[in-house]
Amino acid sequence: DAGVIQSPRHEVTEMGQEVTLRCKPISGHDYLFWYRQTMMRGLELLIYFNNNVPIDDSGMPEDRFSAKMPNASFSTLKIQPSEPRDSAVYFCASSSNGEIQETQYFGPGTRLLVL
Amino acid sequence: EDKVVQSPLSLVVHEGDTVTLNCSYEVTNFRSLLWYKQEKKAPTFLFMLTSSGIEKKSGRLSSILDKKELFSILNITATQTGDSAVYLCAVEPDNYGQNFVFGPGTRLSVLP
Repeated sequence: DAGVIQSPRHEVTEMGQEVTLRCKPISGHDYLFWYRQTMMRGLELLIYFNNNVPIDDSGMPEDRFSAKMPNASFSTLKIQPSEPRDSAVYFCASSSNGEIQETQYFGPGTRLLVL
Repeated sequence: EDKVVQSPLSLVVHEGDTVTLNCSYEVTNFRSLLWYKQEKKAPTFLFMLTSSGIEKKSGRLSSILDKKELFSILNITATQTGDSAVYLCAVEPDNYGQNFVFGPGTRLSVLP
């Protein structure tokens, strides 16, 4: 398996622009997680899906952030409009079981820079 | 390609045991290595290591880095059932634009 695939790997954009991050989970995994990593706040869980349904989006910072999972093999995280404070590395992870102690497999991340 | 390998992938021990989790890595240029504990939905930060040979401690947990041999270990002494979790190792390359690389994790189960 190719593992979790994210695109783009790097994104540089100007403040106010729309940004769309993409994720393809490992085939057969029912859970998909979006994280944001910054030096100040560390690794934060933004939202996670089970069987394409959003279960917990309490980590989404504000209305400018939205996430969708239209099918089992694809998810997007959208920021509109983007702001400089959104600059971070965004990780997608998937697991076959959302229970405690189940390994989540992380993608390579998307490094976002908003100017 | 940058890679992080963790071993064992799964470990079952009894309370009071001491465990050692391993993380080895291959990165073009190394900046830091991080350990996380994942017991709910989001990993919690444990340690960041940047220098070889300097042990970091937090209670019963300790970690050390060997930049020559490209590995780190995470030790947990006198394990408790609350230590049951997945422990993730991640490496940050020192190249502009390179992202963190996560290992697959070690699933630790501590039985009473």
